[in-house]
Amino acid sequence: DTAVSQTPKYLVTQMGNDKSIKCEQNLGHDTMYWYKQDSKKFLKIMFSYNNKELIINETVPNRFSPKSPDKAHLNLHINSLELGDSAVYFCASSHVDGNYGYTFGSGTRLTVV
Amino acid sequence: GIQVEQSPPDLILQEGANSTLRCNFSDSVNNLQWFHQNPWGQLINLFYIPSGTKQNGRLSATTVATERYSLLYISSSQTTDSGVYFCAVSEYGNKLVFGAGTILRVKS
Repeated sequence: DTAVSQTPKYLVTQMGNDKSIKCEQNLGHDTMYWYKQDSKKFLKIMFSYNNKELIINETVPNRFSPKSPDKAHLNLHINSLELGDSAVYFCASSHVDGNYGYTFGSGTRLTVV
Repeated sequence: GIQVEQSPPDLILQEGANSTLRCNFSDSVNNLQWFHQNPWGQLINLFYIPSGTKQNGRLSATTVATERYSLLYISSSQTTDSGVYFCAVSEYGNKLVFGAGTILRVKS
């Protein structure tokens, strides 16, 4: 069983489109995250949700909107995609205090053309 | 915010060699983790180690929190160890800040 699953794995889309990435975890964790990895492999947190509530919201354009219907799911919707949004987006989950480590999904490679 | 520096940035090893990767951080932390990103992009959690020493097979890690550094040891390296090794820390709560990583290439 996949612990943290993201779909789709690859996403190629045109500038200006709207797209969503879905994430689900079956580990019983209560906190979920979205991270962005740029072309230089640098990983930066975007959002964090704890039990469906937003607790971390980094400086991210408001074209990015996370949604957590329940504590096992955290989706990322992106409006009006731009070339600079091209990156790999990782979903992760953990217990609320981060103890015992994070578990990451396999990533979604988004390419905006 | 907290700063995380990893060294070396790049490392090439012959299979069977040992190596030590270092992570320095600028402030007290309540959470420190080591990750391996394999050539296929998968991020694997290696250790949760805010202090002390842990071992898992050929890998071990030590964090000296009072001196603000952590070390990851890889012994008898294998080609499957290739990839990027990240150190990530958190000052409070669960917001992990990642270092820039160490790119490891193990040659057969």
